[in-house]
Amino acid sequence: QKEVEQNSGPLSVPEGAIASLNCTYSDRVSQSFFWYRQYSGKSPELIMSIYSNGDKEDGRFTAQLNKASQYVSLLIRDSQPSDSATYLCAVTYTSGNTPLVFGKGTRLSVIA
Amino acid sequence: DADVTQTPRNRITKTGKRIMLECSQTKGHDRMYWYRQDPGLGLRLIYYSFDVKDINKGEISDGYSVSRQAQAKFSLSLESAIPNQTALYFCATSDSNRGPGYGYTFGSGTRLTVV
Repeated sequence: QKEVEQNSGPLSVPEGAIASLNCTYSDRVSQSFFWYRQYSGKSPELIMSIYSNGDKEDGRFTAQLNKASQYVSLLIRDSQPSDSATYLCAVTYTSGNTPLVFGKGTRLSVIA
Repeated sequence: DADVTQTPRNRITKTGKRIMLECSQTKGHDRMYWYRQDPGLGLRLIYYSFDVKDINKGEISDGYSVSRQAQAKFSLSLESAIPNQTALYFCATSDSNRGPGYGYTFGSGTRLTVV
């Protein structure tokens, strides 16, 4: 059973701080990794994807991947109240020919 | 218009009834998926289809069936609805011709309540 683990939170950070969200996965053949943001009652929307070890930056978001330790993280710099949402980590295996496996999500609350 | 459209948006049905949730997409993607989301349980895969002639079970397919009527349409049926199928259901699509980094496009979801 391939598993993707996330701390359910809530993770509370003050406005302007860095929010750090973590995700671990069980299968070493994992290929690609995704972070989705989901507002309450809405559909998930893709924030970032990463498939090489190291950091990938996009605006205020940085995804970090460490395949040896089997974890992927998402950093949100200068957190805003509008970043308050649930963040879902997702993993795919075998070069993307299997469906995404999602973690249960971490709820982030940015306090103004 | 939305790229991935789910109908209905909300539905209340009685135990034992058959119900169909529909998904259509205009993105031209070949792959389609049905997930359900329950509070605290994340997104769980019900069925998926990589092309019109391909249907695969996900981790929680019992009590559900699907039909891929065309590349753009993928329907989910609950043969005899039960209360623990009350959930938020999402359809998603992806394109096998693009790299793995493009992820999925989700519909707006169907909130189903079985009473």
